[in-house]
Amino acid sequence: SQQGEEDPQALSIQEGENATMNCSYKTSINNLQWYRQNSGRGLVHLILIRSNEREKHSGRLRVTLDTSKKSSSLLITASRAADTASYFCATVNQGGKLIFGQGTELSVKP
Amino acid sequence: DGGITQSPKYLFRKEGQNVTLSCEQNLNHDAMYWYRQDPGQGLRLIYYSQIVNDFQKGDIAEGYSVSREKKESFPLTVTSAQKNPTAFYLCASSMGRRLNWNSPLHFGNGTRLTVT
Repeated sequence: SQQGEEDPQALSIQEGENATMNCSYKTSINNLQWYRQNSGRGLVHLILIRSNEREKHSGRLRVTLDTSKKSSSLLITASRAADTASYFCATVNQGGKLIFGQGTELSVKP
Repeated sequence: DGGITQSPKYLFRKEGQNVTLSCEQNLNHDAMYWYRQDPGQGLRLIYYSQIVNDFQKGDIAEGYSVSREKKESFPLTVTSAQKNPTAFYLCASSMGRRLNWNSPLHFGNGTRLTVT
């Protein structure tokens, strides 16, 4: 049962540009989490934003949450080649389990 | 350094054989999880455990089995009953005895299983 859906599925940008990825979900949430996955590796937690928060920052990352639209966005500013990875949002579904979306594959070209 | 160790990184098996994937953590986390990742399908939850000697089925538990005899270890067995076992398997852990999903998951680097 898919809870979070990322958009776009793939994104290609030049180094120095900003990258924006979106996540939409279906049911009410307590929090929404973003993870990064480098090719062939495990996921790394980036940011957790609670349902009563609207925006959160961590370094070059900015996450927004709009519970009325059931959507979140992840912005990476001044992207670097090392940001090349897949990015996943995760929320808790109606069954009470953490469900991951299909991810956005980001490619940052030097 | 604390972390989660999955072994082996690559595993090859013949169809009809059971295979066990190892997952060990030294983070002192109570909860542990197994996810399966297929291309274009994101991660799907197989099993999770909140405490030693207890575990629950996730969304795709059929054909899999787990045990949690020690806090540090949560091995996954892929049985011959799993119809499409070739995939990338990820183990994770999180703090907290109660399953509240408010704690970030820490992942291992996965085991890529190929069954022919």
